Amino acid sequence: GENVGLHLPTLSVQEGDNSIINCAYSNSASDYFIWYKQESGKGPQFIIDIRSNMDKRQGQRVTVLLNKTVKHLSLQIAATQPGDSAVYFCAETPSAGGTSYGKLTFGQGTILTVHP
Amino acid sequence: SQTIHQWPATLVQPVGSPLSLECTVEGTSNPNLYWYRQAAGRGLQLLFYSIGIDQISSEVPQNLSASRPQDRQFILSSKKLLLSDSGFYLCAWRSGPHTGELFFGEGSRLTVL
Repeated sequence: GENVGLHLPTLSVQEGDNSIINCAYSNSASDYFIWYKQESGKGPQFIIDIRSNMDKRQGQRVTVLLNKTVKHLSLQIAATQPGDSAVYFCAETPSAGGTSYGKLTFGQGTILTVHP
Repeated sequence: SQTIHQWPATLVQPVGSPLSLECTVEGTSNPNLYWYRQAAGRGLQLLFYSIGIDQISSEVPQNLSASRPQDRQFILSSKKLLLSDSGFYLCAWRSGPHTGELFFGEGSRLTVL
């Protein structure tokens, strides 16, 4: 399926561990960033977003960190569960609205496997 | 609440045959609509987006076309499929220009033989 890992980075963790998924972006004009989770055979689901005027944002069990200096984004998942196993994509856009029309540029994706 | 539907979920077509994938959104009006393609083991590539009826923008040159005959309907088409058109096609919407999040459908898997 679309999540075959021949080209995607992978991360394997034990249940209960914390996971950190990294993403590098190249467009310094990117203003808005989103993390998506995609389970096999399904469409991506929104996890958390962050705007460029922030460097950290927390959700339920997830934290997104943004380092604009080095153009790096990370997703931290606390107490990872088997249900967290999926492909995780970062996405960026020059702005949340306006003339970018919501055109997101997606990263390559990272396969997260959580072992019970 | 808003929902997005795509069909068919799975499609196997011979090379040279036509294609029509349909996407509809419910529970919102005048959404921005998007078609993305995902090749195996890859990220998502934006193909088309639309900000209104009959307003379509293409992001990459290709063998596909898109149409938006109604406010909440977005159609992806091809007159003659190529092997390279195989992939997982995802429709997405967002509610307007002041929100960034895209909501995706469940996808349509196309295999061209």
